[in-house]
Amino acid sequence: DIQMTQSPSTLSASVGDTVTITCRASQTINTWLAWYQQKPGKAPNLLIYKASTLENGVPSRFSGSGSGTEFTLTISSLQPDDFATYYCQQYNTSPWTFGQGTKVEIK
Amino acid sequence: QVQLQESGPGLVKPSQTLSLTCTVSGDSMNSGGYYWSWIRQHPGKGLEWIGYIYFSGSSYYNPSLKSRLTMSVDTSKRQFSLKLRSVTAADTAVYYCARQVSKTYFDPWGQGTLVTVSS
Repeated sequence: DIQMTQSPSTLSASVGDTVTITCRASQTINTWLAWYQQKPGKAPNLLIYKASTLENGVPSRFSGSGSGTEFTLTISSLQPDDFATYYCQQYNTSPWTFGQGTKVEIK
Repeated sequence: QVQLQESGPGLVKPSQTLSLTCTVSGDSMNSGGYYWSWIRQHPGKGLEWIGYIYFSGSSYYNPSLKSRLTMSVDTSKRQFSLKLRSVTAADTAVYYCARQVSKTYFDPWGQGTLVTVSS
């Protein structure tokens, strides 16, 4: 199975900050990567697919980049609604696997 | 827009079978290219893909769970189901159903249902 490793596990930030989350794959996955946001008690919600394509309706302050084994999710000008846990998921090779999550909390 | 909703018992005894159903609304399940998946999340942990079923009935399971899993689909009822046999406490999790787009990402997801394995 392809292992997905996110860093950091927890990130403390303030409203207005720009934050970056990294996701590394144990082998190359081209750009077959998605990012999700999950709030407590809710299901994950798709933000980005194919590493950098924003899902319809997702604010433009979210952006994704990377290819191969290293990817980033950047949130520019963090808003109160953005405090949540973020997961990456690879879909290059089944079984499809997720990172362990990065919690973005209020500083 | 497509919506998914899980249903099933919230408590299952060890060694028994966990059975869940996902009901799809807002679209036909027969649209080609969509795979109907189950994903679980252990309490306070990350996400684990369990398996998918296609509208034709073909399925693919995570090898880690394959020996205990059966999935089925009933497109006339717009439902697909999961059966996980011989459960243990390690199967306690929130179970989500989700639509997988052409074996890629998952969108949308159901709200999730907590299943606890305990005597």
